[in-house]
Amino acid sequence: ENVLTQSPGTLSLSPGERVTLSCRASQSVTSTYLAWYQQRPGQAPRLLMYGASSRAAGVPDRFSGSGSGTDFTLTITRLEPEDFAVYFCQQFGSSPQTFGQGTKVEIK
Amino acid sequence: QVQLVQSGAEVKKPGASVKVSCKASGYIFTNYAIHWVRQVPGQRPEWMGWINAGNGLTRYSQSLQGRLIITRDTSASTAYMELSSLRSEDTAVYYCARLFYYDSSGHLPAFDIWAQGTKVTVSS
Repeated sequence: ENVLTQSPGTLSLSPGERVTLSCRASQSVTSTYLAWYQQRPGQAPRLLMYGASSRAAGVPDRFSGSGSGTDFTLTITRLEPEDFAVYFCQQFGSSPQTFGQGTKVEIK
Repeated sequence: QVQLVQSGAEVKKPGASVKVSCKASGYIFTNYAIHWVRQVPGQRPEWMGWINAGNGLTRYSQSLQGRLIITRDTSASTAYMELSSLRSEDTAVYYCARLFYYDSSGHLPAFDIWAQGTKVTVSS
């Protein structure tokens, strides 16, 4: 299966800072099949990005995604208090679809 | 509004089965697939399987094949996930999610709607 490895595991940051999260795949993923989710404590995941770089409905434009092949990135330009959460990437390109282990963005 | 709502928490003994429901509202149930994902706290989500709510076609993760059955009741707009021969390692939060294609050609998939999750605890 295609293993997704996210880095770093945890980021300690302050509101207003810029953050870049990495998702690396063990096998190439067509970018149309890469999604990102945000999960706050005790909540279900929430779709942020699909097709690697398209924002889902209602997602603020401070979130952006990029990448291709085996390396994908989620960037938050200015952290807001509600952005402190865990972020997962997911690939649909090969079966079984898989998720990364997550990056936790915590308040410094 | 478009939403998925799951049944409540379950506590089961090893060897038992659990059945979790996922009720859809706000959209045409048979037009979309429902996927099931489980998550042990602090670990990555694990895809379990899916059902085409229109024709009932299913596909399961190889690791759960033989223990997992996903069904649906179109009259109730509800999907069900039944996991049998439970063991302690099955303790997790179980989610259903709708698969949405942002492109009419079947590309740009994503889980756009998630239910609130159902905690399943397997303990003797």
